Amino acid sequence: TQLLEQSPQFLSIQEGENLTVYCNSSSVFSSLQWYRQEPGEGPVLLVTVVTGGEVKKLKRLTFQFGDARKDSSLHITAAQPGDTGLYLCAGAQSNSGYALNFGKGTSLLVTP
Amino acid sequence: DAGVTQSPTHLIKTRGQHVTLRCSPISGHKSVSWYQQVLGQGPQFIFQYYEKEERGRGNFPDRFSARQFPNYSSELNVNALLLGDSALYLCASSLRSPGQGILSNQPQHFGDGTRLSIL
Repeated sequence: TQLLEQSPQFLSIQEGENLTVYCNSSSVFSSLQWYRQEPGEGPVLLVTVVTGGEVKKLKRLTFQFGDARKDSSLHITAAQPGDTGLYLCAGAQSNSGYALNFGKGTSLLVTP
Repeated sequence: DAGVTQSPTHLIKTRGQHVTLRCSPISGHKSVSWYQQVLGQGPQFIFQYYEKEERGRGNFPDRFSARQFPNYSSELNVNALLLGDSALYLCASSLRSPGQGILSNQPQHFGDGTRLSIL
């Protein structure tokens, strides 16, 4: 069962554009993590959000955790080709031993 | 410091065989988790181990088993391999175990995985 739904599934944009990726669920999570994965590599942690309504910024990336801790978004400002990759959101729940439930990911391509 | 290391990086097996995948966590990390990532999907949780004990298990058949050693490294074993077992197997380590309060939200750090192909 896929607890987390990510949208869009694919995104192709030009360098300099802004974009938002969404991660939605009907379940509540104790924390939510965003990862970026490149071909042939494991996911690399970008951020962990814990508090409902929390906003975290990482250079041009802005992450938000929904007030009810059921959803999250990732906004990238002025995308660059180096941002290309698979963006995964993953939620942890206390009743599952904090094992991560991943979405299917958003595949982002940024062209020069 | 070295990150999470997994071996081998690639492996080709045939149906019915068994396989053992290995993982060394980040130094100081005591919790190891295993995930399966099929092409085009997000990783799916298989096992979580802490202090050599299984602390969580995902929805995988009994053909999948794992263990953790005193040095916190871990092995994932899969028996009677099926074509559908072809995937990237990821190991992740974290600082603490589940159930330790807010520290249970410790982020997980992933290795680059073992690409398993079943012919």
